[in-house]
Amino acid sequence: GAGVSQSPSNKVTEKGKDVELRCDPISGHTALYWYRQSLGQGLEFLIYFQGNSAPDKSGLPSDRFSAERTGGSVSTLTIQRTQQEDSAVYLCASSPRDLIPLSPLHFGNGTRLTVT
Amino acid sequence: DAKTTQPTSMDCAEGRAANLPCNHSTISGNEYVYWYRQIHSQGPQYIIHGLKNNETNEMASLIITEDRKSSTLILPHATLRDTAVYYCIVRALRGFNKFYFGSGTKLNVKP
Repeated sequence: GAGVSQSPSNKVTEKGKDVELRCDPISGHTALYWYRQSLGQGLEFLIYFQGNSAPDKSGLPSDRFSAERTGGSVSTLTIQRTQQEDSAVYLCASSPRDLIPLSPLHFGNGTRLTVT
Repeated sequence: DAKTTQPTSMDCAEGRAANLPCNHSTISGNEYVYWYRQIHSQGPQYIIHGLKNNETNEMASLIITEDRKSSTLILPHATLRDTAVYYCIVRALRGFNKFYFGSGTKLNVKP
């Protein structure tokens, strides 16, 4: 079946603008994760959803970052008043259920955000 | 989550076995070892995971030491398409624990 889909694949925005990044997880996957990857760096955890709830928001770097998930499916990551340091690849991943250890993460190919 | 230590980079000749080490000396008894890889411009791809026994699938083999403080991912016959960053991660059995991705090992497979 279809994998995790993220849109747009690339986004260029001016400093100070708001952006929305979208993630469509694999159908039926209840756990959804957002990660950020700066150039040449490892993955930085941002937020995790189980269903529509976000039990762990600890990775969001500032209050300019927010995320929501509706219907237990699509998730949107919003960055307000973007800054140049927000430039990175934003990766979304899903898994069938988080409490089962045999359910690895399935990643999308990310959205490359460039703030000019 | 227990943290992991991996070499920054490794080279491997095409057709030879690639052995990627990982140290996880603070691993807890309920933590699994996972391996992912990330090919340039793509999201990470799951490879294999294990608890204490060695594991093998169509992609790779995972060898975990008896004390579980280290493991080795083996790609038996590396190809140029295996050039990627390989991440070793430990994650608990129960409850939410985010996958912690360190810097990984950049594997360069050379012709």
